[in-house]
Amino acid sequence: AQSVTQLGSHVSVSEGALVLLRCNYSSSVPPYLFWYVQYPNQGLQLLLKYTTGATLVKGINGFEAEFKKSETSFHLTKPSAHMSDAAEYFCAVTLGSFSGGYNKLIFGAGTRLAVHP
Amino acid sequence: GAGVSQSPSNKVTEKGKDVELRCDPISGHTALYWYRQSLGQGLEFLIYFQGNSAPDKSGLPSDRFSAERTGGSVSTLTIQRTQQEDSAVYLCASSFSGQGAYEQYFGPGTRLTVT
Repeated sequence: AQSVTQLGSHVSVSEGALVLLRCNYSSSVPPYLFWYVQYPNQGLQLLLKYTTGATLVKGINGFEAEFKKSETSFHLTKPSAHMSDAAEYFCAVTLGSFSGGYNKLIFGAGTRLAVHP
Repeated sequence: GAGVSQSPSNKVTEKGKDVELRCDPISGHTALYWYRQSLGQGLEFLIYFQGNSAPDKSGLPSDRFSAERTGGSVSTLTIQRTQQEDSAVYLCASSFSGQGAYEQYFGPGTRLTVT
């Protein structure tokens, strides 16, 4: 079975500081990995995804994540936080090419990011 | 262009009543997913539609939950005899389908409160 663990339900950073949100996954087959962001009272928006190929993935709003198979991790980073980054972030995994043609997402519990001036 | 829409945005119902939640996916998206977001359980998969059929219903929590999709488009999630533990935000997502990591586009959700 697949699972996702996000370390830290709440993360607080100062504006301009590095953002690091941690995600570890468990999967019996090579997974596809995703980071989604949710702003208050809105649905989820895709930040970035890893499928195959380059392990450093760049997404929207200056975020990037690195797939590390040996560590089963897919941590999300941004060099300099902005006030508008305050939101909840979800890491998710699917069975990828073993999915049978669809991508049921298994989500982590989420990390709420606060950005202080 | 139009995204995924859901209605109602908020629904308050009394315990024991039936509710229907509606999802309008993006035109041309053959795959449709329902998820539930609650404080205790986080984000959980409920059901997947490919066209009008549901090959994966494994996340539906009980037989009080059912869903259908018609015309390969609109989907309705029905909860019968609602219970307080059904209170959650119900999210719908749609995507293209096939052996690719097609992005799922999420609607804003329906917040269900059972009193």
